[in-house]
Amino acid sequence: DVKVTQSSRYLVKRTGEKVFLECVQDMDHENMFWYRQDPGLGLRLIYFSYDVKMKEKGDIPEGYSVSREKKERFSLILESASTNQTSMYLCASSFTGQGTYNEQFFGPGTRLTVL
Amino acid sequence: DAKTTQPTSMDCAEGRAANLPCNHSTISGNEYVYWYRQIHSQGPQYIIHGLKNNETNEMASLIITEDRKSSTLILPHATLRDTAVYYCIVSYFGNEKLTFGTGTRLTIIP
Repeated sequence: DVKVTQSSRYLVKRTGEKVFLECVQDMDHENMFWYRQDPGLGLRLIYFSYDVKMKEKGDIPEGYSVSREKKERFSLILESASTNQTSMYLCASSFTGQGTYNEQFFGPGTRLTVL
Repeated sequence: DAKTTQPTSMDCAEGRAANLPCNHSTISGNEYVYWYRQIHSQGPQYIIHGLKNNETNEMASLIITEDRKSSTLILPHATLRDTAVYYCIVSYFGNEKLTFGTGTRLTIIP
């Protein structure tokens, strides 16, 4: 079974803190994604990565950065957390295949609260 | 990617077929329709996708109208475990960036 794990289910941080959210997948997927999910807004893509050290901005990258030093690991970084970054953060991964649809597999999410 | 419109919420009796509609009137010729669902406290899970032909797998069936402006996801015998938010997404095949809207909250009633 594909497994996407996230470092914490719940996290509480203070405004101005640097926050790291970690995601690990065990299926050798090329692509990895970070989304945030807010009531009434659905899932919104923050960043994604299609290879080690490669990244591309999603729809809402402001206030976030990412790091992908190893294929299996994708980190989301909040350089200086703010209260409007309180949200559920979801990580996903997928293959880059040829000819067939490669579904995204999601982790369980990290609920981040910034006080 | 084309925009989709889904009802905010729906109920369905347990054991009946759940039919979830999705409008995508601006879909282009080579855009696919994808469905995911998100059960409470979990990440989304892929269900099915299609281009223009009807598709069926072990989870659901997807019916796409001939003009491709709308589609329906069918769960043939809904169970309580099918209670979830269902997302209809339109995107080009191979486009890794999916735009999830707010979906339809389906509640299966015992």
